[in-house]
Amino acid sequence: GEDVEQSLFLSVREGDSSVINCTYTDSSSTYLYWYKQEPGAGLQLLTYIFSNMDMKQDQRLTVLLNKKDKHLSLRIADTQTGDSAIYFCAEYNTNAGKSTFGDGTTLTVKP
Amino acid sequence: DADVTQTPRNRITKTGKRIMLECSQTKGHDRMYWYRQDPGLGLRLIYYSFDVKDINKGEISDGYSVSRQAQAKFSLSLESAIPNQTALYFCATSVAGIGRNTGELFFGEGSRLTVL
Repeated sequence: GEDVEQSLFLSVREGDSSVINCTYTDSSSTYLYWYKQEPGAGLQLLTYIFSNMDMKQDQRLTVLLNKKDKHLSLRIADTQTGDSAIYFCAEYNTNAGKSTFGDGTTLTVKP
Repeated sequence: DADVTQTPRNRITKTGKRIMLECSQTKGHDRMYWYRQDPGLGLRLIYYSFDVKDINKGEISDGYSVSRQAQAKFSLSLESAIPNQTALYFCATSVAGIGRNTGELFFGEGSRLTVL
């Protein structure tokens, strides 16, 4: 079945860039997502990229997609303490109508 | 008010008890989902429903059942709770349709269940 993998932890200094990586297996994925989960809260969509795109930029966020290698990354520029959260990569298959999530990367931002 | 509301937010119960987690939404979405979150295991899909008459098993449906009482309501039941069902449960919704089927999920705030 589908599988999405990401590293579990990342620690950076405030002001540095953060890069969170993700790999997926479903070549039929149409959308790839990054969700953010803050402590005690549900997940919220952070950004997404359509599978026929290579890059998407949204203010401090840059998403890169290498469809050949099935590799997705999220770069957060000028990381702030408020960016500390768990970040989930997810792939969506339009035909199946459901998403598969990675295990989540806990980002810790140190002052 | 939240668009996707889960009740209860926290529940402690004993092994063997029947538990129901409820989800209601005001977003008007057809699709609803139940996920389970365990530390280090991400979110795993339990059940999902594309409309009132369409209910599907997810990857970890054993020990769970669901009911889609209306477009806006989707409840998850544990008929006989066991300790390894201790987890954080999320309900989510999404919209489908021509030009709208992006798969974006809208989550409730979660229901934390502890089975002793």
